Amino acid sequence: EAGVTQSPTHLIKTRGQQATLRCSPISGHTSVYWYQQALGLGLQFLLWYDEGEERNRGNFPPRFSGRQFPNYSSELNVNALELEDSALYLCASSFIVLLSYNEQFFGPGTRLTVL
Amino acid sequence: DAKTTQPPSMDCAEGRAANLPCNHSTISGNEYVYWYRQIHSQGPQYIIHGLKNNETNEMASLIITEDRKSSTLILPHATLRDTAVYYCIVRVLNNAGNMLTFGGGTRLMVKP
Repeated sequence: EAGVTQSPTHLIKTRGQQATLRCSPISGHTSVYWYQQALGLGLQFLLWYDEGEERNRGNFPPRFSGRQFPNYSSELNVNALELEDSALYLCASSFIVLLSYNEQFFGPGTRLTVL
Repeated sequence: DAKTTQPPSMDCAEGRAANLPCNHSTISGNEYVYWYRQIHSQGPQYIIHGLKNNETNEMASLIITEDRKSSTLILPHATLRDTAVYYCIVRVLNNAGNMLTFGGGTRLMVKP
């Protein structure tokens, strides 16, 4: 069974540009989570999508946005890129089962570098 | 979510048990202890979680103290492939979105 896939693997942009990152969840998973892992700052939650709807977002400015498509794949868009947006962006997917711990399976990440 | 404290780094000899400690003195009654790890250049991987009883699976064992203020993740026979950053987090079992936040973790180096 294929795991979570992300593209591109690496992305280099300049300040002020826009970046689009893509994620395909494990087949059958309806939830997609986006995280930012900047050097020295651990893992920070960005966005959670389930069944095509944004369910929650972390403490990030509105220029971080995304969407989930009918096939449950997802896009993360970062507008007006800043140098501090340079980080590893991780996508994870899961089932949602009531009253249960829903393990998240992570993709390999997209390394975004803003110059 | 309660804060956790982990040593920044540890070494372990290949084939020996790796014991990774985590302090979570402000844990509340409905918060679980979770462990994840992140091997270099890969996404985080779930290892194990528990509430108050010790837990064991095919990857590791989790020992939680009786007062639940600390826990230890045990890798019984560490291999070179277990070299990774290990993250301990505490949070409620929340089906309304299991958003994760990791701190610095423990960098485990397994040496031959």
